[in-house]
Amino acid sequence: TQLLEQSPQFLSIQEGENLTVYCNSSSVFSSLQWYRQEPGEGPVLLVTVVTGGEVKKLKRLTFQFGDARKDSSLHITAAQPGDTGLYLCARPRNTGKLIFGQGTTLQVKP
Amino acid sequence: KAGVTQTPRYLIKTRGQQVTLSCSPISGHRSVSWYQQTPGQGLQFLFEYFSETQRNKGNFPGRFSGRQFSNSRSEMNVSTLELGDSALYLCASSSHLGAYNEQFFGPGTRLTVL
Repeated sequence: TQLLEQSPQFLSIQEGENLTVYCNSSSVFSSLQWYRQEPGEGPVLLVTVVTGGEVKKLKRLTFQFGDARKDSSLHITAAQPGDTGLYLCARPRNTGKLIFGQGTTLQVKP
Repeated sequence: KAGVTQTPRYLIKTRGQQVTLSCSPISGHRSVSWYQQTPGQGLQFLFEYFSETQRNKGNFPGRFSGRQFSNSRSEMNVSTLELGDSALYLCASSSHLGAYNEQFFGPGTRLTVL
């Protein structure tokens, strides 16, 4: 199967807390993308990870690609209300489509 | 540079009707993909167009169709609407063919079928 499993599905935290979102698959992927979608908008690409073990940072967001390229994680440090949204992992396929995980809905309360 | 635009933003239809959604890609982008987003199934790929030709297709019934014009603008059509077609329909554009290229998504069209 090419399914991507994301966990947790929902997360509600207080401003200033840290959190981690996971994206797992039983198969190896050549690359993985993370998106954030805010209400009323389409997903926006945050990062693409390609190499096993790769770590990328985007301000307070840290993205990691597993050594075996079957899993990835997104860690947010000191979450802010502006981080609220739906976080999606996705893998591109040769057929031209992106396969998305079910998403993690994050709510950061002030 | 203007982003991807989709019209209309909201649409209400009844079962059995048909609907046409429109997408204008970022200027210079030649690839347009369509996705359906529902709470139960998440984001699912419908099809991809490049240079006026459908290049890839997802696992949706033939009631879902699309086309792309010479200016890269794209439309998708859903005929004989069913309640389960209620969803957010997202269009994404890219400079080149294939999902490995960065996809820029529009805000979507929210379709409600009554």
